[in-house]
Amino acid sequence: DTGVSQNPRHKITKRGQNVTFRCDPISEHNRLYWYRQTLGQGPEFLTYFQNEAQLEKSRLLSDRFSAERPKGSFSTLEIQRTEQGDSAMYLCASSLVYEVQDTQYFGPGTRLTVL
Amino acid sequence: AQTVTQSQPEMSVQEAETVTLSCTYDTSESDYYLFWYKQPPSRQMILVIRQEAYKQQNATENRFSVNFQKAAKSFSLKISDSQLGDAAMYFCAYRSAEGGGNKLTFGTGTQLKVEL
Repeated sequence: DTGVSQNPRHKITKRGQNVTFRCDPISEHNRLYWYRQTLGQGPEFLTYFQNEAQLEKSRLLSDRFSAERPKGSFSTLEIQRTEQGDSAMYLCASSLVYEVQDTQYFGPGTRLTVL
Repeated sequence: AQTVTQSQPEMSVQEAETVTLSCTYDTSESDYYLFWYKQPPSRQMILVIRQEAYKQQNATENRFSVNFQKAAKSFSLKISDSQLGDAAMYFCAYRSAEGGGNKLTFGTGTQLKVEL
């Protein structure tokens, strides 16, 4: 079991550019979640997938954000026209719906800095 | 909407001593799960312990135990025999079990320092 992996680990971009992050969940986990964490705060939910279906989106997920999980395995989170307020750690988590409590396991995150 | 409150931004404990981190939450639901996650300086969130609301027995994992008071909506974490490796940010989290979605709602965290 290799755990949840995220790439890249760090991304620095200029305001207005588009960025894309990738998350690979734990093998066979059918649920995948994206959270955003700003400095000094707890993670905030953005969206989650069960298999390839996106089942819930937070109102934090503006129309500049889009997430996909095309084959029910890895997921991508894209931010278009980045703003300085998008600077944060983006965390991915996965879970197995059949596991007791459906516990979420987190990846190391992608730290985004928008200049 | 559910909220989670961690009123202690920072806590310190001497090595080998015991420390308790506080967490309260607000919900109108009767069935839910509660979690404590640890986030070391490397930033990867690690599950410490979990509790089902319908279970009266407090969860225990080695040196970590919880005091779950459902009526008071309190879920504190006790760390016994503290070790240097316990130093981290600790987050309390809530998840509905009543079809309210699968998202975790986190508190703002407590930074735990372990001193020699």
